[in-house]
Amino acid sequence: NAGVTQTPKFRILKIGQSMTLQCTQDMNHNYMYWYRQDPGMGLKLIYYSVGAGITDKGEVPNGYNVSRSTTEDFPLRLELAAPSQTSVYFCASSWGQGYSNQPQHFGDGTRLSIL
Amino acid sequence: GENVEQHPSTLSVQEGDSAVIKCTYSDSASNYFPWYKQELGKGPQLIIDIRSNVGEKKDQRIAVTLNKTAKHFSLHITETQPEDSAVYFCAASKDTGFQKLVFGTGTRLLVSP
Repeated sequence: NAGVTQTPKFRILKIGQSMTLQCTQDMNHNYMYWYRQDPGMGLKLIYYSVGAGITDKGEVPNGYNVSRSTTEDFPLRLELAAPSQTSVYFCASSWGQGYSNQPQHFGDGTRLSIL
Repeated sequence: GENVEQHPSTLSVQEGDSAVIKCTYSDSASNYFPWYKQELGKGPQLIIDIRSNVGEKKDQRIAVTLNKTAKHFSLHITETQPEDSAVYFCAASKDTGFQKLVFGTGTRLLVSP
């Protein structure tokens, strides 16, 4: 099992450009998440999905969009990149049903700089 | 909403010493408390978690304690080794359906040989 795979690992964007951060998991998890991690800070939830076709906003969703057309994939889209979106982005997945939840598994992140 | 505070931000110990990292949370409805270890250039990895129906959980050199009345929980690492050097994050959530974790700001642990 590869677990959670994120691509690319590094990217530099110019202000106003757009890009998609890819995330795929092979554990058949129903829940998927996107976080951002700024220096010296904890992870902040951007968007999450409880299953294919279902997404919702987290704590810091402005400037981002997501989609979940399959169980495995959960891409994060940045439109009109801004310097404030310079961060490390982590995708995670977990399995849950009702009151039974398994821990979240994280990918190794995408380091994004916007200049 | 939930707020999680974590202390200290940095912790330096000698190999073999114990290390303790503390977190407090604000939402009394939170009942799931995981701890993650993050090595340089990697994503967070779960090292131990605890649910509110227990007060302590151990896994070899790692233990977590929970005080629901005071709304704080702590990570204890005994007999520290250089490979324990990393950033550690605590988190809290309600463990009902979707797990919306709120993270602390992290503790950088340095274990010197």
